[in-house]
Amino acid sequence: ETGVTQTPRHLVMGMTNKKSLKCEQHLGHNAMYWYKQSAKKPLELMFVYNFKEQTENNSVPSRFSPECPNSSHLFLHLHTLQPEDSALYLCASSQVGPDHQPQHFGDGTRLSIL
Amino acid sequence: KNQVEQSPQSLIILEGKNCTLQCNYTVSPFSNLRWYKQDTGRGPVSLTIMTFSENTKSNGRYTATLDADTKQSSLHITASQLSDSASYICVVRSNTGNQFYFGTGTSLTVIP
Repeated sequence: ETGVTQTPRHLVMGMTNKKSLKCEQHLGHNAMYWYKQSAKKPLELMFVYNFKEQTENNSVPSRFSPECPNSSHLFLHLHTLQPEDSALYLCASSQVGPDHQPQHFGDGTRLSIL
Repeated sequence: KNQVEQSPQSLIILEGKNCTLQCNYTVSPFSNLRWYKQDTGRGPVSLTIMTFSENTKSNGRYTATLDADTKQSSLHITASQLSDSASYICVVRSNTGNQFYFGTGTSLTVIP
């Protein structure tokens, strides 16, 4: 496989459930990101990991918990979510450096909270 | 406040016609500006990147322009095809850390 792979592609869960989103990148990048994409809103950066260390947490509620066990894998653990958390969750990776490398995105997980 | 605004919000054009999408930004300090295409049900894919010193860059039927003085960029699509139907997102990177600022996107629909 190449690029950035996200699983599952679709997830429906109740507010009391616990689930995890998975992201894997096969590009040898040193940074990984979680974004939330809601209708008619810009992508919202949630978490950033550089070299497996979390460097940003944009005031994300604690019901979202990221995990980056190595530079190729990123997880987003979900528990007791709210209906307004229904959105497309995108994972991205990039090679951080001075040469303007782009972020490569996965196809996202479409999350619906009942 | 660092912001990226895109217009129009949505656009419908006939196949074969040209169109231009706009992006205005207030991000400072500026590093680069990138246009992404996001097909329905897919993640965004980079089309072009513009750095401070570049005015125009082409990628096939896509041509991006940048005016760093007025902080405006445009994406021109020539001879549109049905496969151009997608959301086009303008992303500006700041020189401060590894910060990216996203526009809300322009939804383009090309009809036969």
